[in-house]
Order: sequence, then structure tokens, then C-alpha cells
Amino acid sequence: DIQLTQSPSFLSASVGDRVTITCRASQGINNYLAWYQQKPGKAPKLLIYAASTLQSGVPSRFSGSGSGTEFTLTISSLQPEDFATYYCEQVKSYPITFGGGTKVEIK
Amino acid sequence: EVQLVESGGGLVQPGGSLRLSCAASGFTFSDHYMEWVRQAPGKGLEWVGRSRKKTTSYTTEYAASVKGRFTISRDESKNLLFLEMSSLKSEDTAMYYCTRDLAYGGIYYFDQWGQGALVTVSS
Repeated sequence: DIQLTQSPSFLSASVGDRVTITCRASQGINNYLAWYQQKPGKAPKLLIYAASTLQSGVPSRFSGSGSGTEFTLTISSLQPEDFATYYCEQVKSYPITFGGGTKVEIK
Repeated sequence: EVQLVESGGGLVQPGGSLRLSCAASGFTFSDHYMEWVRQAPGKGLEWVGRSRKKTTSYTTEYAASVKGRFTISRDESKNLLFLEMSSLKSEDTAMYYCTRDLAYGGIYYFDQWGQGALVTVSS
């Protein structure tokens, strides 16, 4: 199975901060990676797919990059509605796996 | 508008069975891969299984943790996705989400999610 390791697992930041979350894969996954945002009590929401393609309707302050084994999700200027937990996901091979999550909280 | 609405969750004893349904609307159900993803209380996301689209005969894939115990199927006439769960264990306790896939370059990502159905396995 392909393991995804997210870092950090917890992040405290202020509104307006630039935030970067990293996802490392245990083996190469090309660019077959997605990022999801989940708020408490809600279903996850697709933000980025194919490592860097912004899902329709997602604000442009979100961006993704990377290929192979190292990927990043960047929020250029953190907004109040961005405080949530973020997950990466690989769809290169079965089983499809998710990272452990990064919780972004208000400083 | 795409809608996915799960139902059928509840409390079940260890070793018991349960069937979840996901009612899909707002898109051509047979043209999309569909998935089940679960989340244990306070934990991360875990992929459960996949149903491919009609042109690939609705074939399925499963996570090792549920293979042989869970079955994914569809009722195309009613736009329903099912998750039949048997031999349930306490570790199957989770919120179960139905998702629709977005196809991009032959790869599938989970672009729409239902609100979830809670399954609790306990005596």
C-alpha cells in the first residue's frame, strides 16, 4: 500500500498568513494526488486534483504543486473560513489512501 | 444540482449486517464511478470501495479491511448506490460517505460527497 505522510499534523496560523502543507508518498504516484478540506461535522470537499488543478468554485488562494513523492498545498492568504482539516489522497493504485490530515487552527 | 443522500445507518450488533443506500441525482448516474469512504469518530478518512461506471460493467474494488464482508452494488433504474455490510466489527463504526467521481485524464477523483450515514457497531 502507498503511505501518505502529511506534515505538520497541526498548524496554528493567523488570518492573512501564507500556509503550506506537505504530503509525502512512500513511492512515486506521478501527479495522481488530490487535496480535500473538511470542516467539523461536514463532508470533505475537493480542492485540488491531479496535484495542481483547482476544482471549480475553489478560491484561487488555494494552490497545489508537486509530482512523484512530494506534494504541497498552499493557501496564499488564510481566511477565516479556511480553518479546517486538510487531507491528501493518492489515486495511483489500490488501495486508494489518504494522509493522516492537517488541522489548521486559529492562532 | 448534484445531490448524494445516504441512508440506512444505525446501531447494529457485532456480527450483524446493514445496508446503506446512496440516492444520486443531478447527473447521469451510469456514467460515473462512485465510491464509499468512511471516517471513524475523530479519525481520518479511509477508502472503502469503488463501483466503476456502466461501460466497465459496474465492476468493483475494495479495501482489504472490508473485502469479503462488504459488497457495493447499484440499482441503475433508481439511481441508487448500495453498500451491503456483513460480519460487522466494532472497528467498522464510522460515518460512511458516498462520493461521485470526476474523471480527469483517466484518473478518478472524488468531486461530490454526500452528508454521510453513521454506522455504530456495538452490543
